[in-house]
This record gives sequence, C-alpha cells and structure tokens, in this order.
Amino acid sequence: SQKIEQNSEALNIQEGKTATLTCNYTNYSPAYLQWYRQDPGRGPVFLLLIRENEKEKRKERLKVTFDTTLKQSLFHITASQPADSATYLCALNNAGNMLTFGGGTRLMVKP
Amino acid sequence: GAGVSQSPSNKVTEKGKDVELRCDPISGHTALYWYRQSLGQGLEFLIYFQGNSAPDKSGLPSDRFSAERTGGSVSTLTIQRTQQEDSAVYLCASQGVGGIGETQYFGPGTRLLVL
Repeated sequence: SQKIEQNSEALNIQEGKTATLTCNYTNYSPAYLQWYRQDPGRGPVFLLLIRENEKEKRKERLKVTFDTTLKQSLFHITASQPADSATYLCALNNAGNMLTFGGGTRLMVKP
Repeated sequence: GAGVSQSPSNKVTEKGKDVELRCDPISGHTALYWYRQSLGQGLEFLIYFQGNSAPDKSGLPSDRFSAERTGGSVSTLTIQRTQQEDSAVYLCASQGVGGIGETQYFGPGTRLLVL
C-alpha cells in the first residue's frame, strides 16, 4: 500500500541548532515533493518544492533534499529559532497534480 | 491581496444535522481542493475541482459528503446527517491553474464539532 511517513513524535531542539525532519514514502513515484509549515489553528503554508531530478533545494535557512532511490526527503532548518516551532508537513504528487500529505512532525525550538 | 477564506470558522452541530462549509478561493485560481484534518493528523484529501472539468471525488469518505463549485469560484462542502466521527478541521486550498508543482494556498479551515 502507499504510505507517506513522518515522525509523529515531536522534535525538540535547542535554539541555534539544525533541525532535520524526515519524510519517507513507499509505492509512490512522485514528480515532486513539497514541504509546508502549519501553525496551530491555521492552514498549511507552502515552504519549498523539490523536483525528482533535483537533489537539493535551498531557501534562506531552509534546505530540502530528495533521494528517489531511498524514497526519502530531508528538511533542514539551520540556526533554528523559537519562531520556527510549528508542524511541518511533506506532500507529494501521487497522480497528476494531486497532493498526498504526510502526518506532519511537530518541531519545538527551545530558547 | 486576499487569500483563501472559509466560513464559518467554527461550527458546532448535533449528530444527524446537515452542515454547509464555504470556501472562497483566491480570485482567478482555477483549481480548488477540500481536505479534512483530524486532531494531530495529516491532511486527508476529499475532493478536487479543476476549471469546468468533472470534480475528482475519490476522497469523499461516504455519500453523506458532497461538494459543488459554482461559477468556477466559491465552493460549498455539504455533510448530511453528520456523525461524531465527522468532527475535524475542514481545509480548503486553491491553486492557480493546477499546474505541475504549483503551490496550494490554504484557508484557515472550519472547525467542525459534532455532538
């Protein structure tokens, strides 16, 4: 069966450290993968997109990698700040432009 | 500019009642999605509208759920004979032309509680 797995346990890190979140998938062949941020009581907000032929994408303190062999994407936040605390969702296209979302990982950055 | 708006923001209803949830997408966006998010869970796809094409209803959990999109803009999600397991946040997202990799812009959601 098709699955998208993100660590359901919260990730707690100290301010200034690098946060690394994992998204693993099975039985998908996505053309791209997206990462979203969701704050409590709000809808998800798009952060980054990475295509199947890209290994890495960066945006300011964010970095995403995409390994289609391992069927895994890693999402990194460098020099993390308490304001980065949120739930981070990965999503991939499973048919055309339809997105399927993972369950999200909650990140807590402590000052 | 205006983003995606949803109404009501919160809805409490009794089991067995019908509810209507509204989504106003970003003006000019041709693609519109409805998702459901239960507490602490990821987003569950419900239905997808793209322009004048027939909607993709493959995610609707039962025939109590239906949605329509009038004039290619506003969309209404209707849940008939609500059950307690329907309690969740219902999120709407719109997308420019539904192209490959295009960003989805989400509304704030409607929190539905079925008593």
